[in-house]
Amino acid sequence: DTAVSQTPKYLVTQMGNDKSIKCEQNLGHDTMYWYKQDSKKFLKIMFSYNNKELIINETVPNRFSPKSPDKAHLNLHINSLELGDSAVYFCASSQAGSVGNQPQHFGDGTRLSIL
Amino acid sequence: AQTVTQSQPEMSVQEAETVTLSCTYDTSESDYYLFWYKQPPSRQMILVIRQEAYKQQNATENRFSVNFQKAAKSFSLKISDSQLGDAAMYFCAYRRGGTSYGKLTFGQGTILTVHP
Repeated sequence: DTAVSQTPKYLVTQMGNDKSIKCEQNLGHDTMYWYKQDSKKFLKIMFSYNNKELIINETVPNRFSPKSPDKAHLNLHINSLELGDSAVYFCASSQAGSVGNQPQHFGDGTRLSIL
Repeated sequence: AQTVTQSQPEMSVQEAETVTLSCTYDTSESDYYLFWYKQPPSRQMILVIRQEAYKQQNATENRFSVNFQKAAKSFSLKISDSQLGDAAMYFCAYRRGGTSYGKLTFGQGTILTVHP
């Protein structure tokens, strides 16, 4: 069983289009994240939700809008796609608790290519 | 702001040998957690090992161990008896303590090649 699943795995689209990436976790975690990995493989946090509440918004352009309908799902919608949005987007999840070393579990990533 | 630095863009090792990947970090916090993640060509992000800053004992997971030097803010990963399947990009990551759902701050990554 896949713990953190993202769809689609690959997304190729034209500049200016709007697209969404979906993420679901079946680990029972209450916190979910979106990370962006650029062409140099650098990973950076974008957003985090805890129990459907936005807790981290890391100076991401307004064209990016996360939505968490429930604590098992965190979707990422991107408006007016730009060439610089080409990257691999990773969803991750973890369980908040008193022990802070709870690791984050990652999905397999979505490779977004803008033509 | 916390920063994580991996100064070795690439490393290589012979199968069955030992290799050490370096990581340093900068923080003013006293409570934090450190992680090593592995990213093979399949693109998955796989947790290798984790270390709590308040623990003096270095973490060990089978062939993987860390050398955690808190005063020097250094967190290196040692891979013993290297296997072909260890070939991947390795990321060092930091998370602030005080909350169990903080963001991970990653280093730039080190590409590890394992020669047969």
